[in-house]
Amino acid sequence: GQNIDQPTEMTATEGAIVQINCTYQTSGFNGLFWYQQHAGEAPTFLSYNVLDGLEEKGRFSSFLSRSKGYSYLLLKELQMKDSASYLCAPGSFQKLVFGTGTRLLVSP
Amino acid sequence: DTEVTQTPKHLVMGMTNKKSLKCEQHMGHRAMYWYKQKAKKPPELMFVYSYEKLSINESVPSRFSPECPNSSLLNLHLHALQPEDSALYLCASSQEPAGGYNEQFFGPGTRLTVL
Repeated sequence: GQNIDQPTEMTATEGAIVQINCTYQTSGFNGLFWYQQHAGEAPTFLSYNVLDGLEEKGRFSSFLSRSKGYSYLLLKELQMKDSASYLCAPGSFQKLVFGTGTRLLVSP
Repeated sequence: DTEVTQTPKHLVMGMTNKKSLKCEQHMGHRAMYWYKQKAKKPPELMFVYSYEKLSINESVPSRFSPECPNSSLLNLHLHALQPEDSALYLCASSQEPAGGYNEQFFGPGTRLTVL
């Protein structure tokens, strides 16, 4: 079966750094995706990790440890527009299974 | 064109109605997906089409019937739905089925209300 765990909600201030953790147990794992979803909108792709280590893409970075079943998304220089849900999604076989998502609220 | 389009944006239907949701992509993607998303919950996979063939059905009730007429189009036919089926229905596509690096592109969704 699949088991994905993320914090439900996090708050941070503009300009700060926030780390959203995700632990997962899944069969047939072939990489981990992070998606951003603003309220009432479709999810949009942020990052993909298949090998252990850190992938950096501008203000966003994502880390994966396959042996520990652990990933995190790091958001730097937070902006108000980063207030959204962040979905951790391990890929297995032909599908993604989304975690419950972490609602991030960025305040001034 | 890196867009997935969905129609209609909103749909209200009675429990005896028959309606269809439509999804279209012109990125040459060979995998297409239907997801259901309830408020404050993550998307839940319903169906996967791979090369126009149904490859995954996540035990979805038969009142939801998917169809893939060609590689660019995906339909979801709805019949005799229940009020608890009210949700945002998202369509997505990816170059290949999600094995390996295959980013899924999502459409804006159809917000369905069943009365």
